[in-house]
Amino acid sequence: DAGVTQSPTHLIKTRGQQVTLRCSPKSGHDTVSWYQQALGQGPQFIFQYYEEEERQRGNFPDRFSGHQFPNYSSELNVNALLLGDSALYLCASSFGQGSEKLFFGSGTQLSVL
Amino acid sequence: GQSLEQPSEVTAVEGAIVQINCTYQTSGFYGLSWYQQHDGGAPTFLSYNALDGLEETGRFSSFLSRSDSYGYLLLQELQMKDSASYFCAVRDYGGSQGNLIFGKGTKLSVKP
Repeated sequence: DAGVTQSPTHLIKTRGQQVTLRCSPKSGHDTVSWYQQALGQGPQFIFQYYEEEERQRGNFPDRFSGHQFPNYSSELNVNALLLGDSALYLCASSFGQGSEKLFFGSGTQLSVL
Repeated sequence: GQSLEQPSEVTAVEGAIVQINCTYQTSGFYGLSWYQQHDGGAPTFLSYNALDGLEETGRFSSFLSRSDSYGYLLLQELQMKDSASYFCAVRDYGGSQGNLIFGKGTKLSVKP
C-alpha cells in the first residue's frame, strides 16, 4: 500500500515564475493538507482540501492556490514566486478533516533563485 | 491564536532518557500530538493525548496536563536512530474542523 507520494522531489525556479506541486494521498484517505516548512522550522499550514473544496486556509497570500481531484489527489500552485517561497512543501493526507493522525509525504524541495 | 513553545535543541547519550517539553496556548483545546522528522524525511505521527496522563507506546511515552497547558514526550533507551526533530502540534479550531498547528520543533542529537 503506497503512502503519500509527492512530485517532483526537487524543483528550481526563478522569481516571478509559477509552480505546480502534486500529491497523491494514502489509499483510503479523502483529505489533503498542504504545509510549508522552512529550514529549521515547523510545518506551516497552507490549506486543506476535502470533497474537492478548500475547507481551511492558513495565513498565506492568494498566490497560493490549490485543487483536489475526484480521486482525492491534489495540486498546490504558487504564482509570482518570491525568494521567500523557497522551502520544503509537504503534503499530508488523512481520513476526514479532523483526524489527529496525518500521513505526510517526503515533500517537494522548492528553490527560488 | 495558537502558539506552542518547545526547546530548540536537546542532546543526550545512547541508552539515556530524554524529555521534550511543550507548552501551548490555544483558544480551544482538544489534544496534543507529537511528530518525528528525520533530516530529509517526512514527519511521522508518534502519539496523541486528549486526556491528562501518560500514554506509553514502546520506548516512547507522551504526557499531557490540560490544567497546565503542558505536555512532554519521553524517549527511553535512546538509540542513535532517535536523532531527529520532534514537533508538538495542536488543532486550531478557527475553522469548522480545524487544522494542525506545529511547534518549531526540538532537534534531538543522540551521542554514542
